[in-house]
Amino acid sequence: QVQLVESGGGLVKPGGSLRLSCAASGFTFSDYYMSWIRQAPGKGLEWVSYISSSGSTIYYADSVKGRFTISRDNAKNSLYLQMNSLRAEDTAVYYCARDGPLYGESDYWGQGTLVTVSS
Amino acid sequence: SYVLTQPPSVSVAPGKTARITCGGNNIGSKSVHWYQQKPGQAPVLVIYYDSDRPSGIPERFSGSNSGNTATLTISRVEAGDEADYYCQVWDSSSDHPKVFGGGTKLTVL
Repeated sequence: QVQLVESGGGLVKPGGSLRLSCAASGFTFSDYYMSWIRQAPGKGLEWVSYISSSGSTIYYADSVKGRFTISRDNAKNSLYLQMNSLRAEDTAVYYCARDGPLYGESDYWGQGTLVTVSS
Repeated sequence: SYVLTQPPSVSVAPGKTARITCGGNNIGSKSVHWYQQKPGQAPVLVIYYDSDRPSGIPERFSGSNSGNTATLTISRVEAGDEADYYCQVWDSSSDHPKVFGGGTKLTVL
């Protein structure tokens, strides 16, 4: 069965860095586009970043562009999000999700990992 | 960038029909997806490509999309349907292509 398991969240000071990982299993990871989506406490879903199956196409939300970097290692069935220059407003649960190739539907989601940015 | 507008809340009695709307400029020309999120859980895809249901999603969930409004319809609402619902589209003309609506809290009275 499809499984997505995020890790790497935690408490970090403003200006700090964190690297999130998402381990995928139960499907051919290299065939699928992937996204990171976050949810601040008590708020709605916010798309963060997207990467194509080969890694050749990448998009970022304006709120994280220049600070976050998405990447993937298809040999390790893993998705990553490098987060630098973290701000209080980056505090959220971060989900990785498997995306459809044409219209970006996220058909499987991980359980999420909490990132807290606070001094 | 593309904007999706949802009502913050919808209330419905058990056994009745709930309709949750998602407004966007000419949204009928896009594919709309819907997610259900219960407290403390990850979102679950309940409708994709406007009206298709993933396996395991009850037939009570249906979707439509035309003009400037997409609609998620939940028939014969049950207490277990109480959740937040989000619409989402893929705006292929943008470099911020994945867009979510603000979410709608469905309350079962």
